[in-house]
Amino acid sequence: GDSVTQMEGPVTLSEEAFLTINCTYTATGYPSLFWYVQYPGEGLQLLLKATKADDKGSNKGFEATYRKETTSFHLEKGSVQVSDSAVYFCALTSSNSGYALNFGKGTSLLVTP
Amino acid sequence: ETGVTQSPTHLIKTRGQQVTLRCSSQSGHNTVSWYQQALGQGPQFIFQYYREEENGRGNFPPRFSGLQFPNYSSELNVNALELDDSALYLCASSNKQGGETQYFGPGTRLLVL
Repeated sequence: GDSVTQMEGPVTLSEEAFLTINCTYTATGYPSLFWYVQYPGEGLQLLLKATKADDKGSNKGFEATYRKETTSFHLEKGSVQVSDSAVYFCALTSSNSGYALNFGKGTSLLVTP
Repeated sequence: ETGVTQSPTHLIKTRGQQVTLRCSSQSGHNTVSWYQQALGQGPQFIFQYYREEENGRGNFPPRFSGLQFPNYSSELNVNALELDDSALYLCASSNKQGGETQYFGPGTRLLVL
């Protein structure tokens, strides 16, 4: 079945450092890929998405490119801020999963001043 | 535009009791999905409702049931609560069956004692 694998956290970075959170997936067909962010005590917020190969999703300085050849969707940001501290979830939907979101386990990010 | 809302925000129940959680979908959305997020884990898909009918179900027992109403709001019912049902329950809405981005509410945190 479909699955998503994320790098394990926690990830601790200093403010203005470069961020990469790795995400790889297994899916039949042509999944759509997502990054969601969860701030402490809150629900999930959509950060960005990509629906086909080579698409780049971007939002708030974050970017991720849908790489079909490597089945990856790594999240990047050039300069993190303290306010980016949160848990980041990679997820996919596909016709195989009935369009239910299939999430990775999440990666906790802590940005220190 | 009103986002996804959920009620209550927090709930404490005892083992064996029953609970009903409520979700109002975002304006213009006709599909509601429910997820369970255990502490430190990614959300797990429970089921999805489209036009008042169940449209897919994850690996959850029948004591997890739901409803969707003509205004597309939804309820999640859990009977015979178990300690492991303690989790954050997330509702997400989208604007058509399959393939559309899901937007999440803030969640209901359930504690079963």
